[in-house]
Amino acid sequence: EVQLVESGGGLAQPGGSLRLSCAASGFTFDKYAMHWVRQRPGEGLEWVSGINSRSDNIAYADSLRGRFTISRDTGKSSLYLQMNSLRPDDAAFYYCVRGDGADWGTSFQYWGQGTLVTVSS
Amino acid sequence: QSALTQSPSASGSPGQSVTISCTGTSSDVGGYNFVSWYQQYPGKAPKLIIYEVTKRPSGVPDRFSGSKSDSTASLTVSGLQADDEADYYCASYAGSNKWVFGGGTKLTVL
Repeated sequence: EVQLVESGGGLAQPGGSLRLSCAASGFTFDKYAMHWVRQRPGEGLEWVSGINSRSDNIAYADSLRGRFTISRDTGKSSLYLQMNSLRPDDAAFYYCVRGDGADWGTSFQYWGQGTLVTVSS
Repeated sequence: QSALTQSPSASGSPGQSVTISCTGTSSDVGGYNFVSWYQQYPGKAPKLIIYEVTKRPSGVPDRFSGSKSDSTASLTVSGLQADDEADYYCASYAGSNKWVFGGGTKLTVL
């Protein structure tokens, strides 16, 4: 069974940083692209970032303006999102998502339960 | 990357069919057959129900079907059931390794 378990969410001050983690199990981690998708409370889904299976192809939503960094550790079957210069509008549930292929695939096949990031002073 | 356009709400009675549309541009929906649909219950994570415009993952009832014409994709739910009441989101590949979601449609079963 595919499992994606996010951690690292919590309260951060504006301008602060957080590092989200996602522990993956139930599949061969190094064979799939991974993504972060966020959802502000009561709002829709927003793709944040993706990384292919070999970590040689990475992409970010234009709106992030270089503040976030995605990475993965095959040995630990884990995905990460380093979030810097946090703004109040970054507050959201952040979902770890597995793609359906080694490169970008064609869909977001499996989702974690999400971790909540709150940005407030 | 502009969000795909979905109607905020849709509704139908049990047993009826309802279609939810998702409008993009030639740079996303119209340019690739990588449209997918997700079902989300309140407080839960989204679940993939349609991928590559028309395909259903294993375990998804065939009451859910997808289609696309030009830059508009559609999700049809036939034989509406009470537990189909949820939020539905479309997503599309938008080129340059980027993705875009629709704003979501709240489906109400009357």
